[in-house]
Amino acid sequence: SAVISQKPSRDICQRGTSLTIQCQVDSQVTMMFWYRQQPGQSLTLIATANQGSEATYESGFVIDKFPISRPNLTFSTLTVSNMSPEDSSIYLCSVPGQQFLNTGELFFGEGSRLTVL
Amino acid sequence: GDSVTQMEGPVTLSEEAFLTINCTYTATGYPSLFWYVQYPGEGLQLLLKATKADDKGSNKGFEATYRKETTSFHLEKGSVQVSDSAVYFCALRSAGGTSYGKLTFGQGTILTVHP
Repeated sequence: SAVISQKPSRDICQRGTSLTIQCQVDSQVTMMFWYRQQPGQSLTLIATANQGSEATYESGFVIDKFPISRPNLTFSTLTVSNMSPEDSSIYLCSVPGQQFLNTGELFFGEGSRLTVL
Repeated sequence: GDSVTQMEGPVTLSEEAFLTINCTYTATGYPSLFWYVQYPGEGLQLLLKATKADDKGSNKGFEATYRKETTSFHLEKGSVQVSDSAVYFCALRSAGGTSYGKLTFGQGTILTVHP
């Protein structure tokens, strides 16, 4: 299993500002994933963070709004830029288990709950 | 595109009651299906899985059977405990997906079990 730590666990932000969420994993992993869970909705994959290359974004998500860094195999950041109330969500970092292709097991952090006023 | 629909919650049960949380999906081909659980104050964790039709996933007394004909993967437990109180997410991974790691999740069902 993997232990994933996210910071901050929650924050209240003002409209128009940006916030960076950090994700630290206790082991080296090739890929890290960022998900968003909007209030009352399911989890949606934002992007896949690859070490040494640009992140791969899902449809509907763009780098200017959600820039991602992946400086090494245990750490990643997601920035939510120019925030609006619609960005109020829980943002989750996750990594695949070693047998992901067979098991589909992802390990998740506890999430970062952002509220934008 | 792929989608997962779960029964709306919240679900409130008494201890030792029977639990069913419905989950249906839309996907091409033969996806893999999963139930994830999030206990209070913790991250999501895999509860059980099934990778082909008629497979039954089971763990911690929970079961779910992959039903291709009804495109369903309902979660069941014969006797729930207070410690089962959590949020349950049904999810799928497409068979031919190009996004490694992309799971499509349902909206989650909150389960509360009272003593």
